[in-house]
Amino acid sequence: DTVMTQSPDSLAVSLGERATMNCKSSQSVLNSSNNKNYLAWYQQKPGQSPRLLIYWASTRQSGVPDRFSGSGSGTDFTLTISSLQAEDVAIYYCQQFFSLPTFGQGTKVEIK
Amino acid sequence: EVQLLESGGDLVPPGGSLRLSCVASGLTFRDYSMTWVRQAPGKGLEWIASISWTGDRKYYAESVEGRFTISRDNSKNTLYLEMNTLSAEDTAIYYCTTYFRAFDFWGQGTRVTVSS
Repeated sequence: DTVMTQSPDSLAVSLGERATMNCKSSQSVLNSSNNKNYLAWYQQKPGQSPRLLIYWASTRQSGVPDRFSGSGSGTDFTLTISSLQAEDVAIYYCQQFFSLPTFGQGTKVEIK
Repeated sequence: EVQLLESGGDLVPPGGSLRLSCVASGLTFRDYSMTWVRQAPGKGLEWIASISWTGDRKYYAESVEGRFTISRDNSKNTLYLEMNTLSAEDTAIYYCTTYFRAFDFWGQGTRVTVSS
C-alpha cells in the first residue's frame, strides 16, 4: 500500500493569512505515460461529507475558489490557501489514486 | 445537480450482515466508476471498495476483502455494498462517491454501528 503522510496534524492561521499543508507519499504517484500526478485534496467541514478540491495535484475542481491551490510532483505535495477565510475551517485530506486509493490522516485548519 | 443518496445503515450485532444502497441522480450513472469510503467515529477517511462502470472490475481494501461485496445496477442508478461478518471495527459512516478524475461527488453518508 502507498502510505500518505500529512503535516502538520493541525494548523492555526489568522484570517486573511496563508495556510500551507503538506502531503508525502511513500511511492511516486506520477504516471509517466500522461505526466499526471494521481493526487487529490479534499475538504471536510465539521458535520459534512468530504468535498473534492483539487485533482491531478494542481487542478481545481469546478466551483472551488481560486484561493485554493495545489502543487508538487512525484512524492511531495502541498495545498495552499492563499488567504484564509472563516469558512475554510475544516480538515483537509490528501489522497493518492495511482494505486489502490489511500488517504492521508488529515490536517485540521483552525482560525488563530 | 449530482445527488448520491445512501441508505441501509443500522445498528447490527457483531457477526451480522447489512446491505447499503446508494441511489444516484443528476448524472449518467453508467458512465462512472463508483466507490465506497468509510469514516470511523473521530477518525479519517478509508477507501474500502471500487467498481468499474460496467461492474466487471471490483477492488477491495484488505480490511474488508472477503467480507464485503460491491455491486451496481445501472438500470436502477444504484450502487450496493453487501457487508458480512461485521465487527466493531466496521462501525463508521459509509459514503458512496463517484470515481472519475478523483472521488468527485460524495453522498451524505449512512451510519453503521456494530454493537451488541
